[in-house]
Amino acid sequence: EAAVTQSPRSKVAVTGGKVTLSCHQTNNHDYMYWYRQDTGHGLRLIHYSYVADSTEKGDIPDGYKASRPSQENFSLILELASLSQTAVYFCASSEGGYYAEQFFGPGTRLTVL
Amino acid sequence: GEQVEQRPPHLSVREGDSAVIICTYTDPNSYYFFWYKQEPGAGLQLLMKVFSSTEINEGQGFTVLLNKKDKQLSLNLTAAHPGDSAVYFCAGRSAYKVIFGKGTHLHVLP
Repeated sequence: EAAVTQSPRSKVAVTGGKVTLSCHQTNNHDYMYWYRQDTGHGLRLIHYSYVADSTEKGDIPDGYKASRPSQENFSLILELASLSQTAVYFCASSEGGYYAEQFFGPGTRLTVL
Repeated sequence: GEQVEQRPPHLSVREGDSAVIICTYTDPNSYYFFWYKQEPGAGLQLLMKVFSSTEINEGQGFTVLLNKKDKQLSLNLTAAHPGDSAVYFCAGRSAYKVIFGKGTHLHVLP
């Protein structure tokens, strides 16, 4: 059974609208991450969290908020969606520590029109 | 900032041929390195993680080499088959952060 799930798997949003992407993990991991993937850019870190009720900014946080209400759940919120936020978004979880690999969800394809 | 340069961005090989992907990193304090495979429409799956003290790591059908002197990490698929067609990412970890390369689209022709 998939340990990191994302919903929705795809979404079409209108410019200026609010979008919430959800992530749920059953790995019992402390760390969770949100990345976006764009052609030619690989994966870029938006926000991450290492404990419930706390989030940290990654490399490209502008235009995004994050929420970690519990160890299992991590949401990415676009308050005012823009065309430039069209991308595939991946959630991941990991243990703490340098050795820890990340376990990825299947991704959410977001199209902003 | 710290970077991981990955090349080539696209690679086509015939079934049975070898395929080599190289990553060059800038942070000398990188401790762990990771290779991920992404199949179409899916998330990234770990192929192998490499600790900085180990230079040669062998997996099933592939070898990962770490050259600390040149700060290079390579993935060598020894006899590629069509099921290896995917996007491959390298990543380096230092402190709290994981930095990904931009990916290599590998296409294995039958």
